[in-house]
Amino acid sequence: DAGVIQSPRHEVTEMGQEVTLRCKPISGHDYLFWYRQTMMRGLELLIYFNNNVPIDDSGMPEDRFSAKMPNASFSTLKIQPSEPRDSAVYFCASSRSGGGVETQYFGPGTRLLVL
Amino acid sequence: TQLLEQSPQFLSIQEGENLTVYCNSSSVFSSLQWYRQEPGEGPVLLVTVVTGGEVKKLKRLTFQFGDARKDSSLHITAAQPGDTGLYLCAGYNNNDMRFGAGTRLTVKP
Repeated sequence: DAGVIQSPRHEVTEMGQEVTLRCKPISGHDYLFWYRQTMMRGLELLIYFNNNVPIDDSGMPEDRFSAKMPNASFSTLKIQPSEPRDSAVYFCASSRSGGGVETQYFGPGTRLLVL
Repeated sequence: TQLLEQSPQFLSIQEGENLTVYCNSSSVFSSLQWYRQEPGEGPVLLVTVVTGGEVKKLKRLTFQFGDARKDSSLHITAAQPGDTGLYLCAGYNNNDMRFGAGTRLTVKP
């Protein structure tokens, strides 16, 4: 199994630009999560999907952030326009429902720097 | 304010020493997980504890879930440089999982 795949691994952009982060979950997993990690705030859940449907987006910081999951094998997190305070590592994770707490498998993350 | 408070925030020890890190909350969780994250990678699950008072062992790592299911500890015996990383606890309730800020452990050879 290839694991959760994220791209790009690193992104440097200028303030005001649009940023799109991509994620391919593990095949067969029906949950997908987007997290943001910073030294100050730790690992924060932004949004999660179940069977491609957004379930809880209460962690999305503001309207500049949006996430989509058009099919079971692909999700995007978009920031438009980006700001320096968006600089962080963004993780995608997936899991398979089994009636209880399931293991979340994390991707390697996208390290975003907004100048 | 973090829902889950982890302490200490940073810990640097010599190889061979024992250590304990803590995860505390005022909330009750149905289960709690511990993850380890190495630099440049995503967190990897170490263990899930479900029952109050439960103790699980994973080689030199011992995990305990508090009786009231509000707190947990991770004890490492005879730490090795390979144990270096960020240790995160995550509390789970009603399809909602929240992470602590983590304890950053450095084990010096």
